[in-house]
Amino acid sequence: ETGVTQTPRHLVMGMTNKKSLKCEQHLGHNAMYWYKQSAKKPLELMFVYNFKEQTENNSVPSRFSPECPNSSHLFLHLHTLQPEDSALYLCASSQEGGSTGAEAFFGQGTRLTVV
Amino acid sequence: EDQVTQSPEALRLQEGESSSLNCSYTVSGLRGLFWYRQDPGKGPEFLFTLYSAGEEKEKERLKATLTKKESFLHITAPKPEDSATYLCAVRRRGAQKLVFGQGTRLTINP
Repeated sequence: ETGVTQTPRHLVMGMTNKKSLKCEQHLGHNAMYWYKQSAKKPLELMFVYNFKEQTENNSVPSRFSPECPNSSHLFLHLHTLQPEDSALYLCASSQEGGSTGAEAFFGQGTRLTVV
Repeated sequence: EDQVTQSPEALRLQEGESSSLNCSYTVSGLRGLFWYRQDPGKGPEFLFTLYSAGEEKEKERLKATLTKKESFLHITAPKPEDSATYLCAVRRRGAQKLVFGQGTRLTINP
């Protein structure tokens, strides 16, 4: 496996369900992110993790709960979602601390539909 | 607040017809400006990073340029496989958040 891998690629869940999205990066990076891409809206940052520590929460509702057990894995736990939470959820990673780089590399995303 | 505006929203070209996509931005201290390509149902694919005004980067038929207020993605003699949505994003110095534009949906007709 190379790059950033997300599973599942597609997920349909009811509003009372609990599910988790998984992300794994094989790039040796030290930062990981969750972004949300809704129809007709730009990508928006949800969470930032550096060396497994959450450093940014972009005012995300508590029904989204991230977990980062190590610098290669990131989860997004979902519970009691609303239909408006249907979107493409993208995981990304980057290498922080250098003077160049700074670009983020994205996974293929999980297409989430809440019914 | 950092902002990115891309134009046009959609662009349809004939194969071989060169053109440019625009990304206008405002940011307090630019760390980098990034271009990505996104195919339907997939994640953004990294293309270029530009760090300072005057910088240019090239990859195959694509060339990205940067001024203090905008960036252009020039596409020369495009092919149908260049059809995709092109995203522009900026990152402020000292921050990790990428601020994205709405994207330009590019269609190249054979």
